[in-house]
Amino acid sequence: EDQVTQSPEALRLQEGESSSLNCSYTVSGLRGLFWYRQDPGKGPEFLFTLYSAGEEKEKERLKATLTKKESFLHITAPKPEDSATYLCAVQGAGGGADGLTFGKGTHLIIQP
Amino acid sequence: GAVVSQHPSRVICKSGTSVKIECRSLDFQATTMFWYRQFPKQSLMLMATSNEGSKATYEQGVEKDKFLINHASLTLSTLTVTSAHPEDSSFYICSARDILRGLPNTIYFGEGSWLTVV
Repeated sequence: EDQVTQSPEALRLQEGESSSLNCSYTVSGLRGLFWYRQDPGKGPEFLFTLYSAGEEKEKERLKATLTKKESFLHITAPKPEDSATYLCAVQGAGGGADGLTFGKGTHLIIQP
Repeated sequence: GAVVSQHPSRVICKSGTSVKIECRSLDFQATTMFWYRQFPKQSLMLMATSNEGSKATYEQGVEKDKFLINHASLTLSTLTVTSAHPEDSSFYICSARDILRGLPNTIYFGEGSWLTVV
């Protein structure tokens, strides 16, 4: 059974204070690791897909990295508008449905 | 990015009635769509995978007779909650996989539908 654990559950930062969010996973045959941003009462907004260990992707102030056991979402000099819940999900090669297994998310608050 | 639209965004229904939620991929064809449920401050839980032209695949513990899924075209999947009860109140989110746009495995989500059963 695929599992995703995100930490911390909540993180409060000052504007401009860089940090990293962690996503640890166990999966049988990783087909993709996904990062999403979710604002309250909204559906998840796609950020990145990572496919293999060593891969990195960047988008504005966000950078996602992947190892064989975990992924990090680095946030550089965050702004208040970066406040949201960040979700990590994996898609495994195992049988059954083809959907994603999500972590519980990290609730990020950036204070001005 | 690709757009997935859900309708309605909010719905209130009486206990015992049925309610239908639509999920549309607006600018791409989606052979596969997924339905999730999310309770407050909880993670998204996959309910079922909807395949165009065939029966949906349900996750363990999800009642297929209660949550009817129809994927009649490459751009539309519907979730019907039958004989709804208050415990079915939740945030329902659909997603669709765009296999033709660039990377082979990009999954986009709709805005979600809040269901309240009174």
